[in-house]
Amino acid sequence: EAGVVQSPRYKIIEKKQPVAFWCNPISGHNTLYWYLQNLGQGPELLIRYENEEAVDDSQLPKDRFSAERLKGVDSTLKIQPAELGDSAVYLCASSQGQLAQETQYFGPGTRLLVL
Amino acid sequence: QKEVEQNSGPLSVPEGAIASLNCTYSDRVSQSFFWYRQYSGKSPELIMSIYSNGDKEDGRFTAQLNKASQYVSLLIRDSQPSDSATYLCAGIYQGGSEKLVFGKGTKLTVNP
Repeated sequence: EAGVVQSPRYKIIEKKQPVAFWCNPISGHNTLYWYLQNLGQGPELLIRYENEEAVDDSQLPKDRFSAERLKGVDSTLKIQPAELGDSAVYLCASSQGQLAQETQYFGPGTRLLVL
Repeated sequence: QKEVEQNSGPLSVPEGAIASLNCTYSDRVSQSFFWYRQYSGKSPELIMSIYSNGDKEDGRFTAQLNKASQYVSLLIRDSQPSDSATYLCAGIYQGGSEKLVFGKGTKLTVNP
């Protein structure tokens, strides 16, 4: 069974440029998460989807970040415009059910460097 | 207080020793706790979960939960160099929408 797929794996952009990350969850997993992980820190939740509905986006900086999961499968996270402080690893995870204690499976992440 | 706190280490142990990793949590975190292992440059991988007070053993790993002290630990017996990684403690945040919250992780190095 394929795991969570993310692309690109690495991205280097200049500040003020837009950037987008893509995630395809494990087949059959209805819940999808986007996390931000800064160096030396644990992952922090940005947004959680149950099917195509964003059920928790309270930590998503909505002035520059947006996300979508139009068909309830794969998802895109966008930053526009990017700032230097956005340099981090963006992790996508998925779980089969909706409960918080469901096992989450993480993708390899996208390492973003903003210059 | 952060919701989940860990000593960031680094923790260094010799091969074959017991590695002890600790985590405390706030009143807003409860129910279930998880230990994730993250190799350098890789994504987190779940290794243990624990839901009730006491010990839970899985091979060389033992998770311990003490709800009265708000304390979670992970013991790794017979540590191997391949156990060298960052270990992330996570719990479920109860304020508003439930979500998984992580500590900053403890970096473990097992020396051959």
